Amino acid sequence: NAGVMQNPRHLVRRRGQEARLRCSPMKGHSHVYWYRQLPEEGLKFMVYLQKENIIDESGMPKERFSAEFPKEGPSILRIQQVVRGDSAAYFCASSPSNAAREAFFGQGTRLTVV
Amino acid sequence: AQRVTQPEKLLSVFKGAPVELKCNYSYSGSPELFWYVQYSRQRLQLLLRHISRESIKGFTADLNKGETSFHLKKPFAQEEDSAMYYCALDNYGQNFVFGPGTRLSVLP
Repeated sequence: NAGVMQNPRHLVRRRGQEARLRCSPMKGHSHVYWYRQLPEEGLKFMVYLQKENIIDESGMPKERFSAEFPKEGPSILRIQQVVRGDSAAYFCASSPSNAAREAFFGQGTRLTVV
Repeated sequence: AQRVTQPEKLLSVFKGAPVELKCNYSYSGSPELFWYVQYSRQRLQLLLRHISRESIKGFTADLNKGETSFHLKKPFAQEEDSAMYYCALDNYGQNFVFGPGTRLSVLP
């Protein structure tokens, strides 16, 4: 079991472009969480998804950000029209159940907006 | 509101010295607290959770509800302990609330 896989590890985008971050959960895990870590800050919860459903998106910015977790394939965090303030590390975690405490984390994707 | 604070951004100690990384929280209810560690270029890993009262890599942490603290301690620091340490609170089972992290640097 390779663990939670995130790609790319590093992503550079110009202002106004779109960023797509991928997260492949651990085998057998159907629950995915996305967190964002801004410079000098802790990880902040963004969204919690199960297969084909968004369960809790209370931490997601209202505009430009969206997430999905399709029946097949990885979970995608999509940021449209990126701005410099979106530069951060984005972490994904997966869990076999709806208990966040059982989640395992990926290595993160570091997004840099230039 | 649920909140986790870690007052030290950076903590430097010499090898063999005791280390204590501070964590305080605010939470209404019965809290579940965790310590996560991130070694250089590696993923965030669970270090320990207060419920299991375990000692991992020589680290321990005791939940003090009176002081709303969950400080991480190790009597003798090793160079390989150098890493980022995050204190985290289980937010009603739905997600984690993380502290800002403390970078521990163990000097030879």
